[in-house]
Amino acid sequence: EDKVVQSPLSLVVHEGDTVTLNCSYEVTNFRSLLWYKQEKKAPTFLFMLTSSGIEKKSGRLSSILDKKELFSILNITATQTGDSAIYLCAGGAQKLVFGQGTRLTINP
Amino acid sequence: NAGVTQTPKFQVLKTGQSMTLQCAQDMNHNSMYWYRQDPGMGLRLIYYSASEGTTDKGEVPNGYNVSRLNKREFSLRLESAAPSQTSVYFCASSFDRGKETQYFGPGTRLLVL
Repeated sequence: EDKVVQSPLSLVVHEGDTVTLNCSYEVTNFRSLLWYKQEKKAPTFLFMLTSSGIEKKSGRLSSILDKKELFSILNITATQTGDSAIYLCAGGAQKLVFGQGTRLTINP
Repeated sequence: NAGVTQTPKFQVLKTGQSMTLQCAQDMNHNSMYWYRQDPGMGLRLIYYSASEGTTDKGEVPNGYNVSRLNKREFSLRLESAAPSQTSVYFCASSFDRGKETQYFGPGTRLLVL
């Protein structure tokens, strides 16, 4: 059975801290690993990773995929209160399997 | 472009009632999806449509039916609602194979009493 597992499930840090969110996957027909940010409503797309070892970066966020060990990490540096959200990862091809999400809370 | 739109935003049903959730996208995407999101369980795929005229079951299809009305629209029907179907429902779309990024609608919050 396909599964995607995220850790930790919940994380509370202070503004300015750096956080690392983890995502491991066992998905047949795997092609891509995607990260989404979900605030109050719909998930919004952050990154899509298809190749091992190539870091994708957007501002203070970065992510990398390890296809040998079947995991990905999402890093957020110099966190801000606006980074508070649920972060979802998903793996697959056309059909995506989602993890449970990590609820990140940034305290001022 | 509106992206992915869903109606209604919120609905209350009594057990046994039926309803249809509507979804439309204006991005010329081929594939469309219906998910439900429950606390602590992430997003679970109910049904998807890889292209106009085709539909396939996802992880949790029981109690639901779908119709891909045309390329733009993909509806989800609950024939006889149950309290276990209380959830937030998201519709999403993506372009095609090889372009897995899915774009989500704002969601429909459904409460079944």
